[in-house]
Amino acid sequence: EAEVAQSPRYKITEKSQAVAFWCDPISGHATLYWYRQILGQGPELLVQFQDESVVDDSQLPKDRFSAERLKGVDSTLKIQPAELGDSAMYLCASSLRAGGQETQYFGPGTRLLVL
Amino acid sequence: AQSVAQPEDQVNVAEGNPLTVKCTYSVSGNPYLFWYVQYPNRGLQFLLKYITGDNLVKGSYGFEAEFNKSQTSFHLKKPSALVSDSALYFCAVRYNAGNMLTFGGGTRLMVKP
Repeated sequence: EAEVAQSPRYKITEKSQAVAFWCDPISGHATLYWYRQILGQGPELLVQFQDESVVDDSQLPKDRFSAERLKGVDSTLKIQPAELGDSAMYLCASSLRAGGQETQYFGPGTRLLVL
Repeated sequence: AQSVAQPEDQVNVAEGNPLTVKCTYSVSGNPYLFWYVQYPNRGLQFLLKYITGDNLVKGSYGFEAEFNKSQTSFHLKKPSALVSDSALYFCAVRYNAGNMLTFGGGTRLMVKP
């Protein structure tokens, strides 16, 4: 069964450092999402891609966060500089297309701890 | 704005008993409703979704959910709980392609032997 891949699974960094997370969606899925999940809460959307284009980044803190999906396949989420409050689980999800009824499939996540 | 609420932080149930995890959504058009489960240090796994049609939706691992438009609810149910069902459950709503998938705060299900 195809899955969304993410790496690394865990990342510990010091504040003010740069971190990057990688996501490889299910093959053929045109839509890719990055979510942030703070412990004890539901995931919140950071950015949505349709192929290589950003279609929603309204919740992305653009002063320190950036995301790209250059070839419309895998994607990278970067934080620079990291702050203590960025400690969370970062989840990547993909769906076949962007329709409202489309199911999003999630990867295992990257747990970030900022010291 | 679309929203979804899970009124219970935790649900405790004995193994073999039926379980219900509650979810209500804000009214704004015709919703698409989803349930996901999350095990410790894992991503979310899709359980089931309501799009249209039959109000009773059957999903993975014996779970089902009932869409109730008059009560704006989409409660998750299972006739007989297993200890392995213990996890964090999230309800989510989306209204159309232009809107984001909005998650509830999650409900921790504890099934005791």
